[in-house]
Parts: sequence; structure tokens; C-alpha cells
Amino acid sequence: GQQVMQIPQYQHVQEGEDFTTYCNSSTTLSNIQWYKQRPGGHPVFLIQLVKSGEVKKQKRLTFQFGEAKKNSSLHITATQTTDVGTYFCAAQAAGNKLTFGGGTRVLVKP
Amino acid sequence: DGGITQSPKYLFRKEGQNVTLSCEQNLNHDAMYWYRQDPGQGLRLIYYSQIVNDFQKGDIAEGYSVSREKKESFPLTVTSAQKNPTAFYLCASSTRSGVDRGQFFGPGTRLTVL
Repeated sequence: GQQVMQIPQYQHVQEGEDFTTYCNSSTTLSNIQWYKQRPGGHPVFLIQLVKSGEVKKQKRLTFQFGEAKKNSSLHITATQTTDVGTYFCAAQAAGNKLTFGGGTRVLVKP
Repeated sequence: DGGITQSPKYLFRKEGQNVTLSCEQNLNHDAMYWYRQDPGQGLRLIYYSQIVNDFQKGDIAEGYSVSREKKESFPLTVTSAQKNPTAFYLCASSTRSGVDRGQFFGPGTRLTVL
């Protein structure tokens, strides 16, 4: 079945610094979604990428879909304490079924 | 306000007992999903339903059952056949196309089997 790998599993970031988390699929995707889960909370949809090479920005967050539609990245600039949480990518190859990656757990050092 | 409700937030059961988790949505979404999340892990799909009276197994359906008699409701039963039921259970819904706004998640139910 489809596998979705996220790296790194943990990310300790100094407040104000940038970081990137990566998502890789074993198959070509129709789209990829990103979610954020705060500690003790539930996942919240952030964005969806559909087109090859697509780049979307949300304030300090930049999302990119690879040219081959098999990988994606999330880059956060000037990390803040509000960025703490786990970021999941979720890959969709067909239909409505999403396959979630294992997530990147982000801790911010003030 | 539209959204998804799950109840209860915390649930304790004795080993060998079946337990049913509630999930209700008023978003008028056709598709609904159940996920399991273990500590420090990602989400694994248990069951999903794209329309009333129809549902499909996800990746880890063994030991679970669902029903979809109403569009708004998608209850999950954790049976005694589930070998390791203690986990965080998340229900989600989406439009049938599924992807323009992603999946909306409920607050989850933390199940502990003693």
C-alpha cells in the first residue's frame, strides 16, 4: 500500500529561526494536504496542493509540491511559540482516502 | 456553528467489553472517517464512509465496526476482538470530493481499556 514518510520526526527550533519538514510518498499523488495538531488537540487542515511544482504561502508558512508529485515540504520562517505542535502531511492518490505521514513534532525554544 | 462532535472525551472500559464512540456532524458532509492515533504516532484509518448506508474498511479495521444510517452520524464500535484498543480516536468529515477544504476533525475520544 501507499507509504508516506515524514522527516524529521522531531524538530527543536530556536525561536526566530527557520526550519523545513519534508514529506515523501512511495507513489505519485493526486494531491497532498497538510495539517497541524496542537498538543492535546485534534488535527486542523492547513492547505492542499494539487499541481506539480505548486507553491503556496500562509503568512510565515510556505508549502511546496514536488515536480514529480511524490514529495512535499513545509517551511516555517521566524518560528514562534505558537508554531508548537505536530505537522502532518496527508497524501491522496485516489478517491477520498488519505494516508497520513507520521508527523513532525515541533518544539520551540524561547 | 457547524462542526463535529465526539462524545465522550474520555472513556474507560474493562477488557472484554464492547464500546461505541459517537461522532455527529452538522456540516452536511457526505464523507466521514474514523482514525486511530497512538501516542507520538500518526493517524491510521479505521473505516470510512462516502455516503449513507455504505462504508469501507481502512488500513486497520480488524476489531472495529461502524454504521452509517444517517448522514450526520458515524458511530464506531470497538469490539472485544480489538487486541489493543487503548488509543485516541478521531472522527473526521469532508465533502465527497474530499479535498478542497480538507477533512474536518472532531475533538477526539481518549479510550482507555483497563
